[in-house]
Order: sequence, then structure tokens, then C-alpha cells
Amino acid sequence: KAGVTQTPRYLIKTRGQQVTLSCSPISGHRSVSWYQQTPGQGLQFLFEYFSETQRNKGNFPGRFSGRQFSNSRSEMNVSTLELGDSALYLCASSLAWGDTYNEQFFGPGTRLTVL
Amino acid sequence: ELKVEQNPLFLSMQEGKNYTIYCNYSTTSDRLYWYRQDPGKSLESLFVLLSNGAVKQEGRLMASLDTKARLSTLHITAAVHDLSATYFCAVVSKAGNMLTFGGGTRLMVKP
Repeated sequence: KAGVTQTPRYLIKTRGQQVTLSCSPISGHRSVSWYQQTPGQGLQFLFEYFSETQRNKGNFPGRFSGRQFSNSRSEMNVSTLELGDSALYLCASSLAWGDTYNEQFFGPGTRLTVL
Repeated sequence: ELKVEQNPLFLSMQEGKNYTIYCNYSTTSDRLYWYRQDPGKSLESLFVLLSNGAVKQEGRLMASLDTKARLSTLHITAAVHDLSATYFCAVVSKAGNMLTFGGGTRLMVKP
């Protein structure tokens, strides 16, 4: 069974540009979450999607947005990039959403560098 | 707001020694995860702890959960160099899969 895939793996952008990152969950998984990892702030939750609906949102500015498609693939977009957006962006996939336990599987991440 | 604190943040230890990493969290949770991350890599799931008193072991690692104390421990027995990595605990505090992570413990095991 293929794992979580993220594209691209590496990205270099300049300030003010926008970027779109993609995540394909494990086949059959319907929940996708996004996290940002930086040396200063650690791992921070961005948002979570299930059945094409945003279910939870972290404390990030509106420049960060996301969506989920009917095949459960998800994209996140960052507009007007700032130097501080340089980070490893991780996507996690899980089978379902709710109060019950769902194991989450992380993708390899997209390393974004903003110059 | 849920806060998760790990200590120590950095741990250098000799091979063969034992040590414990601590993870404290501030609000009620029924799910706690431990992850391992190697440099430049993604997160690898180690343990999921779902109930008070839960204990799980895999090789030289053993994790436990005390929900009353809001404390989880990751115990390392007879460390080996291959265990060198950064270890994170993470807690789910509301419906869904949103994880709040601790700051991580960078473990270096020296020969």
C-alpha cells in the first residue's frame, strides 16, 4: 500500500510570491491534516480536512489556506510569502475523523525556502 | 489552550545507559502519541496511548500514560546509537485528529 505522498519535495520561492503544496493520502483515507515545522516554533497544526470540509484550523494568518478534493487529495496555498514561511510542511493522513482513535501517517514533507 | 511540554529538550547519553523523557500536557486528553524524527526526515509513529495506565513497549523503548497526572514517559533501556533522533510527544484535545506537539527531545547516543 502506497504511503502519503507530497509534492513537490523541495521548493524555493521569493518573498511576495504564492505557493501551492499537494498531498495525496493513503488510499481509502479521508482525513488530511497539515503541519508546519520550523526550528523556532516547532510543529504547529495548520488545518484538517475531512470529506472536503475543513474541520479544524490552527492559529495561522489568512494567507494560509487549503482545500480537499473529492478523491481526498489536499492542497495548501500560501499567498504573499514571507521569510518566516520557510519551513518543512508535513501532511498527515488518517482513515476517518471524530472522537475515536485514528492513527495518523505522515508524508515526507515539502521543504519550502523563501528568499 | 492545550500546551504540551517535553523535557529534557536535549539528551546526550552513553550507549548502554537508561533514561526517561517526560511529556506533560495541560488539558484532558484521551490520546497521546510518540513520534520519532531523523534529521531531514518525516515523523515516524512509535506509540499511541489511549487510556490511563497504558503501557506499550517496542524494543528498547517503552511508553506509558498517566491521564490523571497528564503525564507520559518514554523510557529508553540500554541505549544504542541507532536510537539517536528527535522524539516528539503529541496530544489530541478535541474531536478530530488535530495534534498539539511538544517541543521535542533531541537524543544523541554516544558509543
